[in-house]
Amino acid sequence: EAGVTQFPSHSVIEKGQTVTLRCDPISGHDNLYWYRRVMGKEIKFLLHFVKESKQDESGMPNNRFLAERTGGTYSTLKVQPAELEDSGVYFCASSQDKGGNTEAFFGQGTRLTVV
Amino acid sequence: QQQVKQSPQSLIVQKGGISIINCAYENTAFDYFPWYQQFPGKGPALLIAIRPDVSEKKEGRFTISFNKSAKQFSLHIMDSQPGDSATYFCAARNNAGNMLTFGGGTRLMVKP
Repeated sequence: EAGVTQFPSHSVIEKGQTVTLRCDPISGHDNLYWYRRVMGKEIKFLLHFVKESKQDESGMPNNRFLAERTGGTYSTLKVQPAELEDSGVYFCASSQDKGGNTEAFFGQGTRLTVV
Repeated sequence: QQQVKQSPQSLIVQKGGISIINCAYENTAFDYFPWYQQFPGKGPALLIAIRPDVSEKKEGRFTISFNKSAKQFSLHIMDSQPGDSATYFCAARNNAGNMLTFGGGTRLMVKP
């Protein structure tokens, strides 16, 4: 069974440009999460999808970030325009059910560097 | 405000020794406490998890100790091996939500 996959693995862009990150969750997982780790700090929650609906987007930093999950399958996270402080590793995770002991499976992350 | 505080930030242990990583939380609504292990270039992977109705959980060389009254939990790695060298994250989640709240991570190096 394929795990959570993220594209690209690395991205280097200039300040002001646009970048789109993609996440393919494990097939059948309704729950999809985006997290971000800024250098040396904790991994922070960005948002949570249940199928195609945004369940919780309380962690989104500002309106330069736009997440979508059309059709409830893969998800994209667009940063437009990118700023220096957006640099970090963006993780996607998926889980089958909510709460309880349900394990969240993480992708390998996308390392974004804004220069 | 960091809701889950993790220490130390880095740890060096000799092969065969015990690695101990500590976490403290503030939100009493948390009721699920997983530990994640992350190798370079990979995403975090669930290592072991505990719920607050038990004080200890052991899986092989990995043990979580949980102190509900102190709002603290720790990961103990017995007989640490070089292959255990990785970054470890504690986390917490409440049953009303789904998001994980992570600690800052501990980079563990086990020397041969």
